[in-house]
Amino acid sequence: EVQLLESGGGLVQPGGSLRLSCAASGFTFSSFAMSWVRQAPGKGLEWVSSISGSGGRTYSADSVKGRFTISRDNSKSTLYLQINSLTAEDTAVYYCASSRWGLSSYFDYWGQGTLVTVSS
Amino acid sequence: EIVMTQSPATLSVSPGERATLSCRASQSVSSNLAWYQQKPGQAPRLLIYGASTRATGIPARFSGSGSGTEFTLTISSLQSEDFAVYYCQQYNNWWTFGQGTKVEIK
Repeated sequence: EVQLLESGGGLVQPGGSLRLSCAASGFTFSSFAMSWVRQAPGKGLEWVSSISGSGGRTYSADSVKGRFTISRDNSKSTLYLQINSLTAEDTAVYYCASSRWGLSSYFDYWGQGTLVTVSS
Repeated sequence: EIVMTQSPATLSVSPGERATLSCRASQSVSSNLAWYQQKPGQAPRLLIYGASTRATGIPARFSGSGSGTEFTLTISSLQSEDFAVYYCQQYNNWWTFGQGTKVEIK
C-alpha cells in the first residue's frame, strides 16, 4: 500500500524558514517523480515544485522560485521541501504527491498534508 | 502558463441525479488532463487521468471526456459520498489546476 506522510509544518514568523519532509513507503520511491502541492485556507490547489525520480531535474512555480528548494533522498525514501523567506501568502497545507510515470504526469497518490502557518 | 477554468463554481444536485462538470484550458493540453476529488479535511484523490481513464478503484459512475481545450467530468448517479470539490489539472505543460467545482446536496 502506497503511503506518503508529511511532517515539518508549524507556526513560523514572516521571513522564517522550514523544512518539510515526506516519508514514502509501499512503492519503489526512486522510480517515481514527486511533487509538492499547496492549498491555502479555503482556497484551491496550487502546484509548487516537482522532482524527477533520480533527483536530477527539478521544477518550481514562479511564485516560489528562489525561495523554495525541492530535494529527495532515495536511500531514505524521503522527499523534502526547504522553504525560506516565508510570507503570509505561504500559509497553506502542503501536500506531497507521487507520479508513477515520471515528470509530465498526473499525481496518483497524495499524503495527508502538513500545515504551515506564517504569522507574527 | 496554461490557465484552467472550471464551471460552474457550485453545482447543486439531488442524490441519484447526474452531475456534469466542465473544465476549459487556455490552450490545448491534448489529453493530458486529470480530475481529482477532495472532501473536507482530506487530501485530493485521483479520479481520472488521460482525460477519460478511471484511476484504480474509481466507480464506473465517474466518467471523463474531452481533448484539446474542453473537458467534462460526469457523475452518472450521485451518491452521498460524491458530494465534494472536484478539480481538473493539466499536466501537458508543467502543472496547473482549475479553481474547483463544489458539488453540494440540493
